[in-house]
Amino acid sequence: AQRVTQPEKLLSVFKGAPVELKCNYSYSGSPELFWYVQYSRQRLQLLLRHISRESIKGFTADLNKGETSFHLKKPFAQEEDSAMYYCALSGGSNYKLTFGKGTLLTVNP
Amino acid sequence: DVKVTQSSRYLVKRTGEKVFLECVQDMDHENMFWYRQDPGLGLRLIYFSYDVKMKEKGDIPEGYSVSREKKERFSLILESASTNQTSMYLCASMINTEAFFGQGTRLTVV
Repeated sequence: AQRVTQPEKLLSVFKGAPVELKCNYSYSGSPELFWYVQYSRQRLQLLLRHISRESIKGFTADLNKGETSFHLKKPFAQEEDSAMYYCALSGGSNYKLTFGKGTLLTVNP
Repeated sequence: DVKVTQSSRYLVKRTGEKVFLECVQDMDHENMFWYRQDPGLGLRLIYFSYDVKMKEKGDIPEGYSVSREKKERFSLILESASTNQTSMYLCASMINTEAFFGQGTRLTVV
């Protein structure tokens, strides 16, 4: 079975502060990990994936297989980062895609 | 641009009705998914399909079925709608492990 856990439902920070959204996963094989974001009144969209090892909108995420974690980080939060963030895992030959419960990030001015 | 289109933005149905939610993608993707999105519960996978006529149960398939007769269309069927199926339903298609989502259908069962 594959499972994604996001321990924080809500996260509130001030503009310019660092932000970290936590994600832990459970999967017996080699998973692919993703962060998806949903801005207000917009569709859910891919933010970044672990295999790309890239920074998108200042966000990075490192896969830690030892701790089975894939935390999302940004050194200086911006107000436009306010959104719902979902961690997701894809595994198996049929690419089943499983999401966590999401973390609502609010960046205050 | 990838387009994933869900047939309705809002639906209101009566308890016991058979409900069809349609999803169409225009990029020849093999993998398609149906989720329901509820506050505090995130996205829960109902069913997914990895090819025409192929389907697999997700985590909460009870009360739902699906149909994939053509590659571009993936339908979610509520055999007998109940009030606990009131939710936002999201369809997605996937290519190269990136999922593209539709705009969602907010279904209310009264």
